[in-house]
Amino acid sequence: DGGITQSPKYLFRKEGQNVTLSCEQNLNHDAMYWYRQDPGQGLRLIYYSQIVNDFQKGDIAEGYSVSREKKESFPLTVTSAQKNPTAFYLCASSAGTGSYEQYFGPGTRLTVT
Amino acid sequence: RKEVEQDPGPFNVPEGATVAFNCTYSNSASQSFFWYRQDCRKEPKLLMSVYSSGNEDGRFTAQLNRASQYISLLIRDSKLSDSATYLCAVNTRGGADGLTFGKGTHLIIQP
Repeated sequence: DGGITQSPKYLFRKEGQNVTLSCEQNLNHDAMYWYRQDPGQGLRLIYYSQIVNDFQKGDIAEGYSVSREKKESFPLTVTSAQKNPTAFYLCASSAGTGSYEQYFGPGTRLTVT
Repeated sequence: RKEVEQDPGPFNVPEGATVAFNCTYSNSASQSFFWYRQDCRKEPKLLMSVYSSGNEDGRFTAQLNRASQYISLLIRDSKLSDSATYLCAVNTRGGADGLTFGKGTHLIIQP
C-alpha cells in the first residue's frame, strides 16, 4: 500500500530531552512537510523540503530541526529549546512541481511533562 | 487580517439539508486552494482541490471567488458521516512551499 507512515503514534518525554519523530513515504513524492496542530487550532508549518538534502524553515521552526538524506524520509527532531512541544505533529508529502495537493500521515501525539 | 480565516462554528445541520461555508484568504497572489476533512484526533484528509472554474465531486461542490478572495464548500443532502471539521488550505507561499491552513469549521449533522 502506498502512503505515509509516522511513528510512534503516541510519545511521552520529559522536559529537557530531545525527541525525533519519524516520517516515511513510499509515494515517490519530492516534497515533504512537517506541521503541528494545537487543540482548536489550524495546522502550522514547521519545516518543508522540496528535494533531498535541502529544506526550508516554515512559520514556527524555532526549537526544531530536520534532515532529508533520503527521498522517502523526513525526520523531525523536537529539541529542548522548543518552549511548548506538546502537540499533534503531522507529516505530509506532495508530488511537487505542478501538483501541490498534500497528503498526510496519521500523526504523532507528543506529550512533554 | 489573518492569512486564512474560517468561521469555527459549530454548524448544527439536520440530516439531508444543504450546508455551505466559506474561507477567506488575504494573499491575492495565492494560486492553489484545498478543502480537507479532519475527524476528531485524526489526520486531515484531502477532500477537494479548488479550481478557478469550481469543482464538484458527488454531493460536494467547491468554488473560488478571486475578486472577493474566498473559497466555499457546499455539501448537499448531508449525511451523519459528514460530521467533521473542515479545514481550508491555501498555497500562500507559491510552488511546493507548504500550505497555510484555517482553523477549521466544525460541522455536526443531526439525525
